[in-house]
Amino acid sequence: DSGVTQTPKHLITATGQRVTLRCSPRSGDLSVYWYQQSLDQGLQFLIQYYNGEERAKGNILERFSAQQFPDLHSELNLSSLELGDSALYFCASSPRQSSYNEQFFGPGTRLTVL
Amino acid sequence: AQKITQTQPGMFVQEKEAVTLDCTYDTSDQSYGLFWYKQPSSGEMIFLIYQGSYDEQNATEGRYSLNFQKARKSANLVISASQLGDSAMYFCAMRERENFNKFYFGSGTKLNVKP
Repeated sequence: DSGVTQTPKHLITATGQRVTLRCSPRSGDLSVYWYQQSLDQGLQFLIQYYNGEERAKGNILERFSAQQFPDLHSELNLSSLELGDSALYFCASSPRQSSYNEQFFGPGTRLTVL
Repeated sequence: AQKITQTQPGMFVQEKEAVTLDCTYDTSDQSYGLFWYKQPSSGEMIFLIYQGSYDEQNATEGRYSLNFQKARKSANLVISASQLGDSAMYFCAMRERENFNKFYFGSGTKLNVKP
């Protein structure tokens, strides 16, 4: 158990809908990262927050948004869902912003868009 | 250019044998970190081992060791005495000091351990 929690574990929804994925980082970790992993694909970095502020953006669609709250939990909002958004969404946390800190991953949320 | 390259989409190894998973990286930064993660079929990402660019010794964690060749920009993962439970996807990743907000992941290697 990495200490990072993600809810829900599974989510099934329809095209055009909006969903919110939630992540709680490890205790004390200030950085939160979001990744998308499509079937048989590697990890695509979406976005990163540090202590409530957005710090880096990757291949995140305009239909997607995220935020990190004062208690450091983070939410990833996906709207106008398309079939291609079906994927495993990971949240990861890291204690500080340093090249020497690994990320700890949550169990992921598996999103299925029908 | 790709930051992390894993050239082996799939590998087979006999149980109890050692296996090396290849990873090369591209960076102009002098300070960076290299990581390996394991993803079993259940989906979770498990941190295995870390190597810092300034570390003189190769990192080891139990049956995992990292063969770090800085001049060649390679960071191969060596798994000794393979077990059936080692069957999984393995991802190499890098974090640079200059842009430490980003982790770069390779495309992964699927390891199958045969009994």
